[in-house]
Amino acid sequence: GAGVSQSPSNKVTEKGKDVELRCDPISGHTALYWYRQSLGQGLEFLIYFQGNSAPDKSGLPSDRFSAERTGGSVSTLTIQRTQQEDSAVYLCASSLDPRNYGYTFGSGTRLTVV
Amino acid sequence: DQQVKQNSPSLSVQEGRISILNCDYTNSMFDYFLWYKKYPAEGPTFLISISSIKDKNEDGRFTVFLNKSAKHLSLHIVPSQPGDSAVYFCAASAQEYGNKLVFGAGTILRVKS
Repeated sequence: GAGVSQSPSNKVTEKGKDVELRCDPISGHTALYWYRQSLGQGLEFLIYFQGNSAPDKSGLPSDRFSAERTGGSVSTLTIQRTQQEDSAVYLCASSLDPRNYGYTFGSGTRLTVV
Repeated sequence: DQQVKQNSPSLSVQEGRISILNCDYTNSMFDYFLWYKKYPAEGPTFLISISSIKDKNEDGRFTVFLNKSAKHLSLHIVPSQPGDSAVYFCAASAQEYGNKLVFGAGTILRVKS
């Protein structure tokens, strides 16, 4: 596609339920990043993929969070047993060559845990 | 430990005047810096970047200045336009860290007409 696509755009879930957030990067982009922005906060790094492997998972806040990427393309971020503090906008970005082409962000998934 | 800091949460500027957004960083490994602009309900969009081997990069109305010794960069927008009103994020990266972006908290810019 022409840009980074994220789905769903909005998700309201009950506390304790699991959610899956999807990211379709730009075709051919080998690097994929997940960030989140909580209300009134900056963008917080979660995890980085190069191809299908994740060399840096240091930003995942707890073991309730996991992510995978298959076929060097689509990535899924899974949050188990959601808590209210997980409420945020989850943003995905992809890049072919960050130093020359920068990063392209999707519009994000707004997650609300009630 | 905030490695990238934007100390001004907001800035208000008159249309036609210069907007100056500031950013400080602490990690000397950072060698590439970017500015992103974000409108509500949209993802951040890339604005301009600068490599640590330069001290200035210009693109139309936008100029980024880098002072490595002070670990400080700034974004100048001149002349400012009402459509520039958005949240501006400063970000830094290092090849050693897989080029992941470390973001500041953002500055809300309001350009008044």
